[in-house]
Amino acid sequence: NAGVTQTPKFQVLKTGQSMTLQCAQDMNHEYMSWYRQDPGMGLRLIHYSVGAGITDQGEVPNGYNVSRSTTEDFPLRLLSAAPSQTSVYFCASRPPGERVQYFGAGTRLSVL
Amino acid sequence: GNSVTQMEGPVTLSEEAFLTINCTYTATGYPSLFWYVQYPGEGLQLLLKATKADDKGSNKGFEATYRKETTSFHLEKGSVQVSDSAVYFCALSTSDDKIIFGKGTRLHILP
Repeated sequence: NAGVTQTPKFQVLKTGQSMTLQCAQDMNHEYMSWYRQDPGMGLRLIHYSVGAGITDQGEVPNGYNVSRSTTEDFPLRLLSAAPSQTSVYFCASRPPGERVQYFGAGTRLSVL
Repeated sequence: GNSVTQMEGPVTLSEEAFLTINCTYTATGYPSLFWYVQYPGEGLQLLLKATKADDKGSNKGFEATYRKETTSFHLEKGSVQVSDSAVYFCALSTSDDKIIFGKGTRLHILP
C-alpha cells in the first residue's frame, strides 16, 4: 500500500533557485492538496485540486504553482525560492464524498 | 469565519496519566470534526472522527465527543503510554468541503 508518496524527503535550496516537489497517490483520489507546516502555525493550505485539469488557490498560494495533468500526480513548483518558504510541505488526498484526508510523509525544505 | 482553537503545548505527562487536549471550534452549519496525530518524522494520520452532534469517535484508547452546545471536541485518554508522544491536531470539515486545522498540540509522555 503506497498511499501518498512525496519526494524528495529533504531539500536545501539557495535563494532564487527553482524546484518541484513531487506528490503521487495510487488510491484514485480526485481531491489532492498541498499544505505547509510551520512552528506555531499549524497546517496552511497552499493549493488544491478537485480533479485532473482543475486547480485552485488555498490560503497561502503566493510563490507556488501547481498543475494536475493526471489523477495520480500533483506537483508543487517553487519558481524562485525565498527563505520564507523554508518549511515542511505535506501533500494529501481524499476520495470523493469522504472528508478524511490521507497525508504523505512530507518534504522538509530549507532555503538559504 | 470557521476556525479551530486547541490548547497550546507542549503537554508533558507521566506514563499512565489521564490526558485531555481541549479543542473548540467556530463554524457555520454542521461540520465534521477530526483528530489527527503526527508522529516524529511522519505525516498526519487520522486518529478519530465524528460527523454529527453527540457522536463519539474512538481509536487506540483515545476518545472525543462532538458537543454542539459547547462547540467542543476534546481529546481524552485514560492512561497514556510513551508511544503516544506526538503532535495532535484538531480539525473540522465544513459543508463546502474546506478543512481547517488547529495549530497542533505537542504531547510528551515520560516513562
